[in-house]
Amino acid sequence: DAGITQSPRHKVTETGTPVTLRCHQTENHRYMYWYRQDPGHGLRLIHYSYGVKDTDKGEVSDGYSVSRSKTEDFLLTLESATSSQTSVYFCAISESPGTGELFFGEGSRLTVL
Amino acid sequence: EDQVTQSPEALRLQEGESSSLNCSYTVSGLRGLFWYRQDPGKGPEFLFTLYSAGEEKEKERLKATLTKKESFLHITAPKPEDSATYLCAVQFSNDYKLSFGAGTTVTVRA
Repeated sequence: DAGITQSPRHKVTETGTPVTLRCHQTENHRYMYWYRQDPGHGLRLIHYSYGVKDTDKGEVSDGYSVSRSKTEDFLLTLESATSSQTSVYFCAISESPGTGELFFGEGSRLTVL
Repeated sequence: EDQVTQSPEALRLQEGESSSLNCSYTVSGLRGLFWYRQDPGKGPEFLFTLYSAGEEKEKERLKATLTKKESFLHITAPKPEDSATYLCAVQFSNDYKLSFGAGTTVTVRA
């Protein structure tokens, strides 16, 4: 199994509070991704990174920011959480985006009350 | 707009009852189509890559095929351990990012 660790695995927070989710990899893969998964929508890309300090937006990036200061860590921050951000968040890594083969973490379930 | 649609949403099978899942896409240019398996409470796990119409890939009881507008995932003589949600994803020719379908949840009863 690919070495991907997400933390926290579960979090309940209140509207308006900041939240940071962490993704840590031990595979030294260049590309890292944050997805959210909601019923009926499948996986939707929030942000991705193609190297240290190199990040770009995905299709649902509003209300989210990311940072990557080290190859192994990719942080997703919700500056002011809203109920619409209640979801399961998955981190994924890949050696090359061209292969389409992503390795996913176990997910972080976030509930915003 | 490029889209990926999976059908049916849910599929209940008896052990040994073969069936197929469908993934259709509307896209101007396809770079690749990918199948993933997702168990409850887990992240998706990569299964197959298909790049061109007519291509087929097999793994145990699963076989994936690709045409110009859709892909099928055939499950032959399924077992209860094949119960999972199967996701397909498309990579468009002008972008490396993946667009995922909503998935088909397969339940196989013993």
